[in-house]
Amino acid sequence: AQSVTQLDSQVPVFEEAPVELRCNYSSSVSVYLFWYVQYPNQGLQLLLKYLSGSTLVKGINGFEAEFNKSQTSFHLRKPSVHISDTAEYFCAVSEMDSSYKLIFGSGTRLLVRP
Amino acid sequence: KAGVTQTPRYLIKTRGQQVTLSCSPISGHRSVSWYQQTPGQGLQFLFEYFSETQRNKGNFPGRFSGRQFSNSRSEMNVSTLELGDSALYLCASSLVAGSETQYFGPGTRLLVL
Repeated sequence: AQSVTQLDSQVPVFEEAPVELRCNYSSSVSVYLFWYVQYPNQGLQLLLKYLSGSTLVKGINGFEAEFNKSQTSFHLRKPSVHISDTAEYFCAVSEMDSSYKLIFGSGTRLLVRP
Repeated sequence: KAGVTQTPRYLIKTRGQQVTLSCSPISGHRSVSWYQQTPGQGLQFLFEYFSETQRNKGNFPGRFSGRQFSNSRSEMNVSTLELGDSALYLCASSLVAGSETQYFGPGTRLLVL
């Protein structure tokens, strides 16, 4: 069965500093990969997705992620964070089978300090 | 284009009661999935509906059920509520079944007392 691991439950960072949120997955079949962001009292917003092609994926709000098949990772990065990036970030996978249901990691809380 | 809408946004129930949550997908989207989010278990898949048929079901007891109407709107029902059912219930819509991208609504926060 597939699983998603987000090792960091919380990442504190100062404003304008770079950040990387880590995500590793395990699956016996090919997968699609996603990052979602959740602001307080809101649903999930899609940041970016990897379906195929270039392993470097650019998303909204200046975020990007790189798919590394050999390391089964899909880390999220931003070169310079803002206070408004403070939120919970979820990595998710869906297997390319008949299901396509999303399997989520436990989330990483990004805390941006002034 | 309007996003996914969920009603109600907040709900308080007592143990043993039942509850029905509603989800309207993005216009033109025909697949609706439901997820439960709790602090302890995180985000878990409940079920997916497409063309009024349940395609997939997560590992939840039979107290959790759902349905989809011909206009793609979906409802989920939880019977005999337990304290552990307190959660944020998220609905996601996608263009078709098996579509790789799902768009989420704001959720319904259910509190069971």
